[in-house]
Amino acid sequence: AQKVTQAQTEISVVEKEDVTLDCVYETRDTTYYLFWYKQPPSGELVFLIRRNSFDEQNEISGRYSWNFQKSTSSFNFTITASQVVDSAVYFCALSEGYGGYQKVTFGTGTKLQVIP
Amino acid sequence: NAGVTQTPKFQVLKTGQSMTLQCAQDMNHEYMSWYRQDPGMGLRLIHYSVGAGITDQGEVPNGYNVSRSTTEDFPLRLLSAAPSQTSVYFCASRNRDQNIQYFGAGTRLSVL
Repeated sequence: AQKVTQAQTEISVVEKEDVTLDCVYETRDTTYYLFWYKQPPSGELVFLIRRNSFDEQNEISGRYSWNFQKSTSSFNFTITASQVVDSAVYFCALSEGYGGYQKVTFGTGTKLQVIP
Repeated sequence: NAGVTQTPKFQVLKTGQSMTLQCAQDMNHEYMSWYRQDPGMGLRLIHYSVGAGITDQGEVPNGYNVSRSTTEDFPLRLLSAAPSQTSVYFCASRNRDQNIQYFGAGTRLSVL
């Protein structure tokens, strides 16, 4: 069975600090996808990134970067020079397999508060 | 640029009442899903559909019904609301090949 663990329930940082959100996953499949979503205080869910299990390249998008390590089953998310607008709940998610409907398992989320 | 549209945004029900949460998408996506979000539990899958006329149960289907008569619409029905169904409900859709879900803005439901 697939499982996603976000051990950090809440994190507070001061603006301009770097912060890393941890995500550890469990799966028996060799083919799977990992995702990060952002949920700002307004409540909508915003897709940030998708990574498949065959692509271990780290990704950088502006102040955001993702570190995917299959050896430790982790897909961590780092925000560099955090800003108040980064305050949100961040969800890591996992879907197994390829083709057809793949059920997505979400972690319980990490609430990030960036203090000005 | 509508994407996934959910109505209503807020709803208060009394125990035992029924209602339908509406979800529509204009991206011609084959797959649609309903999730509920509860504090400390992330999102849990209620029901999903892989195309018109085809639905299946997710992780927490009890107390909910769905149907998919068209590609665009995927309503979620609460047959007899219970306080345990107080939650935020999200509808999502995705293209069969792309595997990225797009979410509606959510419906916040309170059952008294």
